[in-house]
Amino acid sequence: GQNIDQPTEMTATEGAIVQINCTYQTSGFNGLFWYQQHAGEAPTFLSYNVLDGLEEKGRFSSFLSRSKGYSYLLLKELQMKDSASYLCAVRGGFQKLVFGTGTRLLVSP
Amino acid sequence: KAGVTQTPRYLIKTRGQQVTLSCSPISGHRSVSWYQQTPGQGLQFLFEYFSETQRNKGNFPGRFSGRQFSNSRSEMNVSTLELGDSALYLCASAETGTGLNEQFFGPGTRLTVL
Repeated sequence: GQNIDQPTEMTATEGAIVQINCTYQTSGFNGLFWYQQHAGEAPTFLSYNVLDGLEEKGRFSSFLSRSKGYSYLLLKELQMKDSASYLCAVRGGFQKLVFGTGTRLLVSP
Repeated sequence: KAGVTQTPRYLIKTRGQQVTLSCSPISGHRSVSWYQQTPGQGLQFLFEYFSETQRNKGNFPGRFSGRQFSNSRSEMNVSTLELGDSALYLCASAETGTGLNEQFFGPGTRLTVL
């Protein structure tokens, strides 16, 4: 089976850095995705990791450790528009993509 | 390229009825996945179709079914609706749905069961 854990909610202030963690247990591993979802909207793709290490994309970075079943999404220079839910998803055996319940991030002025 | 489209956007049904939701993927995409999203459970995987075949299935009862047509459009059906089926149903398409292949989500169908 597959199990994905993320914190339910986090708060941070504008301009700060926040790290959202994700731990997973899956049968098979074919990559880990991060998606952003604003309230009332569909999720949008942020990043993908399949090898250990850090992937950087502008203000967003994502890290993966396969041996530890662990990933994090790092958001720098937070802006108000970053207030959203962040979903961790793992592509496991048979290429099945399963999502965690998401972390709601609230950015305050 | 047009994005993923879902119809209808909103639907109200009563218990016991059945419903069919439709999803048109991005042109060229052959993988279509369906998810149920509720506040407490997050995004729950229903099933995935690839080239008209169900490739993966989540842990939902048999009342939830789907199919994919030769043009990659997909439908999902829920029979004998229950109050707990009220949710946002999201469809996502991908070129192949493997490896790095990211999924693109449609706007969803908001189903309310009364």
